[in-house]
Amino acid sequence: EAGVAQSPRYKIIEKRQSVAFWCNPISGHATLYWYQQILGQGPKLLIQFQNNGVVDDSQLPKDRFSAERLKGVDSTLKIQPAKLEDSAVYLCASSHSGGVSNTEAFFGQGTRLTVV
Amino acid sequence: GEDVEQSLFLSVREGDSSVINCTYTDSSSTYLYWYKQEPGAGLQLLTYIFSNMDMKQDQRLTVLLNKKDKHLSLRIADTQTGDSAIYFCAERDQAGTALIFGKGTTLSVSS
Repeated sequence: EAGVAQSPRYKIIEKRQSVAFWCNPISGHATLYWYQQILGQGPKLLIQFQNNGVVDDSQLPKDRFSAERLKGVDSTLKIQPAKLEDSAVYLCASSHSGGVSNTEAFFGQGTRLTVV
Repeated sequence: GEDVEQSLFLSVREGDSSVINCTYTDSSSTYLYWYKQEPGAGLQLLTYIFSNMDMKQDQRLTVLLNKKDKHLSLRIADTQTGDSAIYFCAERDQAGTALIFGKGTTLSVSS
């Protein structure tokens, strides 16, 4: 079974520029997550999709971050304009279900963003 | 609010046992997890425990849960250099959907 695919692996941009990340979840997984992992910290949830609907985006800085999951499969996360503090690894994960039942979330390798 | 705390570093010698500790705040957590992250890689689920269990063993891994003290531990028996990584404790959020992670414990194994 193919894993969660993310691209690009690395991105360096200047502050105030925009950037987009792409995620292709495991086939058949209805739930997709975007996490932000700042160096030295654990991943923090930015947004969760169930199919193409948003379940939780309470931690997403909506003034600069946006995400979509058209057709309930691939997803893109965009930052516009980027700030220095956005430097982090952006992890995408997917699972069969986002409910209480224990369904493993599979993580991609992440996109390492450096804002200079 | 929900919070997960872990010690930041642990150093052991090859062949010894490693014990990584974690405390969490949400008493309603139904599942608690241990993830492993190697350099440049995503997170890999190692094991999990349901909240009505006290212990779970899976090969070299033993998870202990003290629900009264909201304390979770991961024991790795016969630790190998390949076990060197960052280990994250995680709990489900109150909605039971997303994961709340600790800051991670860096395990260093010397030969």
